[in-house]
Amino acid sequence: DGGITQSPKYLFRKEGQNVTLSCEQNLNHDAMYWYRQDPGQGLRLIYYSQIVNDFQKGDIAEGYSVSREKKESFPLTVTSAQKNPTAFYLCASSPPGTERNTIYFGEGSWLTVV
Amino acid sequence: AQRVTQPEKLLSVFKGAPVELKCNYSYSGSPELFWYVQYSRQRLQLLLRHISRESIKGFTADLNKGETSFHLKKPFAQEEDSAMYYCALIDAGNMLTFGGGTRLMVKP
Repeated sequence: DGGITQSPKYLFRKEGQNVTLSCEQNLNHDAMYWYRQDPGQGLRLIYYSQIVNDFQKGDIAEGYSVSREKKESFPLTVTSAQKNPTAFYLCASSPPGTERNTIYFGEGSWLTVV
Repeated sequence: AQRVTQPEKLLSVFKGAPVELKCNYSYSGSPELFWYVQYSRQRLQLLLRHISRESIKGFTADLNKGETSFHLKKPFAQEEDSAMYYCALIDAGNMLTFGGGTRLMVKP
């Protein structure tokens, strides 16, 4: 069953701790994205990656870090520097070429800082 | 940098009424625009894209470069249209930018 898998679905973190959200895709897509979704603020881009070993900051990259060591994986680390980390996080991917604008989304991960 | 604006956070209409969800954008290049929809407890999914000039579930959207708009329209709203709608723009570098979203509520 092809698609994008995010884990964990729900995560609680103590203040001051780093936490890593997993995003894996078996669609052979080149581009991958991380978005944050807050009520009333829509989707905001955190980081995106067009190819392996390359990634760019989005609009709200501060307090986050990513890596792209493998094509199928794009983990997001929420660091202790992120001031307001409680949010819903969405991972997405898209294929290259003429279908590059077809974005596929994961089911999301809820992060709560306690 | 590109920007996508959806001025209405909430739009409430009665079943059978026309619907227009507004979207304005700013981008220096030639834009590719989309509408995404998120139904309750479901993944975000593509509704339509401007290059296809298609109608999906009765919805259409026309790109107006003069007004830099890409409004989503449906002549007769249905209850099952109730969802969160996002307008999005992709640039030449594959960066996809979303608007703030509009929640559509269709009342019986």
